[in-house]
Amino acid sequence: GNSVTQMEGPVTLSEEAFLTINCTYTATGYPSLFWYVQYPGEGLQLLLKATKADDKGSNKGFEATYRKETTSFHLEKGSVQVSDSAVYFCALSPSGAGSYQLTFGKGTKLSVIP
Amino acid sequence: DGGITQSPKYLFRKEGQNVTLSCEQNLNHDAMYWYRQDPGQGLRLIYYSQIVNDFQKGDIAEGYSVSREKKESFPLTVTSAQKNPTAFYLCASTDRQRANTEAFFGQGTRLTVV
Repeated sequence: GNSVTQMEGPVTLSEEAFLTINCTYTATGYPSLFWYVQYPGEGLQLLLKATKADDKGSNKGFEATYRKETTSFHLEKGSVQVSDSAVYFCALSPSGAGSYQLTFGKGTKLSVIP
Repeated sequence: DGGITQSPKYLFRKEGQNVTLSCEQNLNHDAMYWYRQDPGQGLRLIYYSQIVNDFQKGDIAEGYSVSREKKESFPLTVTSAQKNPTAFYLCASTDRQRANTEAFFGQGTRLTVV
């Protein structure tokens, strides 16, 4: 079956530090890949996505590149802010319309200190 | 604005009670899902529904029940058979007619046993 593995947290960084959260996946075919963010006490919000190999998703300074050869979708940000403190989830969706189930990683909690 | 509304935001249950969590969406999505989230854990799928009047068990369906009488509504009942119901519950939906689409989430309901 499909699976997503992301780095264990928590991750604590100082403001303006570089962020990488690793995510690798196992799936057949060409799944779509997503990063979601969850702020305390809230639901998940889509942060970015990529639907085919070598696509780069980006949003709010965050980036992730769909690497088919390494089955990875690592999340990066060049300079984190205190407001980026949240839990980040990597997820995949099988390819094709009607393939609706998302598989999530366990989440990585990020804390950014001033 | 289109979206998913969960209610209530906080819910308290006494031992032996059934409680129902509401989830309504106006995105015209066919598929809807219920997830459970425990502290420091990822999302675990409880039930999902692809179309009206049809639903399937997820990974942890025991002690829960759902109905899907209308496209926009997917309520979850936590029954007295669920021995450890204290958790954060998230409802989501996807558009099965579009390939590679993301899931949209509600703001969650926090259920506590008192």
